[in-house]
Amino acid sequence: GQQLNQSPQSMFIQEGEDVSMNCTSSSIFNTWLWYKQDPGEGPVLLIALYKAGELTSNGRLTAQFGITRKDSFLNISASIPSDVGIYFCAGQSFDRGSTLGRLYFGRGTQLTVWP
Amino acid sequence: EAQVTQNPRYLITVTGKKLTVTCSQNMNHEYMSWYRQDPGLGLRQIYYSMNVEVTDKGDVPEGYKVSRKEKRNFPLILESPSPNQTSLYFCASSLLATGELFFGEGSRLTVL
Repeated sequence: GQQLNQSPQSMFIQEGEDVSMNCTSSSIFNTWLWYKQDPGEGPVLLIALYKAGELTSNGRLTAQFGITRKDSFLNISASIPSDVGIYFCAGQSFDRGSTLGRLYFGRGTQLTVWP
Repeated sequence: EAQVTQNPRYLITVTGKKLTVTCSQNMNHEYMSWYRQDPGLGLRQIYYSMNVEVTDKGDVPEGYKVSRKEKRNFPLILESPSPNQTSLYFCASSLLATGELFFGEGSRLTVL
């Protein structure tokens, strides 16, 4: 399957700091998405991006769909303790000859926030 | 309440003993998928289904089977589980194949 390179693997920050993580791919994607997984739960969708260059915010979260369609970043401003969790990027492409949308996930960024 | 329900949430079994993890969604979603999550490897797709009676392999389908006889249900079958299938499994669904997935709470499987 296609490989998404997500970095950093982990982050340890103090409450109030800003956070930035990104995802790159050697392939072009039609959609980029960011999910968050709280401990012991399933991932939850944070932001979905559908157009190259698109910049979208959701509260303290901001994500962008790279112009080349091969990358995306997620920023979290003024972090709080409940931001703790694993953040996953995901990219969707359409297989050649098929209308099915395959969704590929990065390996995740583990975020720890110290009070 | 819109949800994806998986059962069992936790299971310890032995090598070779067939098991089924059920998945049900109440959102009338066409698209359903199974993922496994392993430390350092993220979420890897096992199988997915675009609609009833339409299923296809993901990235790691070996050792698994699925069926989609009804729109709401998408069970994952391990015919002869092996220790390398010890993992955390997630079922997810979405309207069509938008990528905007709703995930279940996960099923932690241990194969001894």
